[in-house]
Amino acid sequence: NAGVTQTPKFQVLKTGQSMTLQCAQDMNHEYMSWYRQDPGMGLRLIHYSVGAGITDQGEVPNGYNVSRSTTEDFPLRLLSAAPSQTSVYFCASSQQGVVTGELFFGEGSRLTVL
Amino acid sequence: GENVEQHPSTLSVQEGDSAVIKCTYSDSASNYFPWYKQELGKGPQLIIDIRSNVGEKKDQRIAVTLNKTAKHFSLHITETQPEDSAVYFCAASRAYTGKSTFGDGTTLTVKP
Repeated sequence: NAGVTQTPKFQVLKTGQSMTLQCAQDMNHEYMSWYRQDPGMGLRLIHYSVGAGITDQGEVPNGYNVSRSTTEDFPLRLLSAAPSQTSVYFCASSQQGVVTGELFFGEGSRLTVL
Repeated sequence: GENVEQHPSTLSVQEGDSAVIKCTYSDSASNYFPWYKQELGKGPQLIIDIRSNVGEKKDQRIAVTLNKTAKHFSLHITETQPEDSAVYFCAASRAYTGKSTFGDGTTLTVKP
């Protein structure tokens, strides 16, 4: 199993450009989520999904869009990039129907917006 | 919503010493408390977790304690080694939700 795979690992954008961060998991997990990590601020939840066709907002959703058409994939779209979106983005998945909610993270995508 | 505070933000210990990281949470409905370790350039990885019906859990050199009344939980690492150097995150969540609220992280440095 590859686990959670994120692409690209690095990306530089200009202000106003749009792009999609890809996330795929091969563990048949129902739950998938996107976090951003900024220095000294831990991991903050952007959007999450409890299954195909279902998405919801997290703590910092503005400027981002998601969709979940399959169990495996959960792309994160930046509609019009801003310098405040410079961050490291992590996709995570977890299994439904278990008491614990262990998150399995990808290796991250480092985004710089100029 | 849930709020998790983590202390200290940085911790430096000598190899062989113990390290303790503390977290508090605000939502009394939270019932799952994981700890993640993040090495440089990698995603966080679960090292130990505890559920609200348990007061303490150990796994070799790592232990976690939970005080539900006071809404705080702690990570204890004994006999620290240089490979324990990393950023550690605590988190709190309600089981079955698939999402967690994280503390701001503690950078642990173990000096040989």
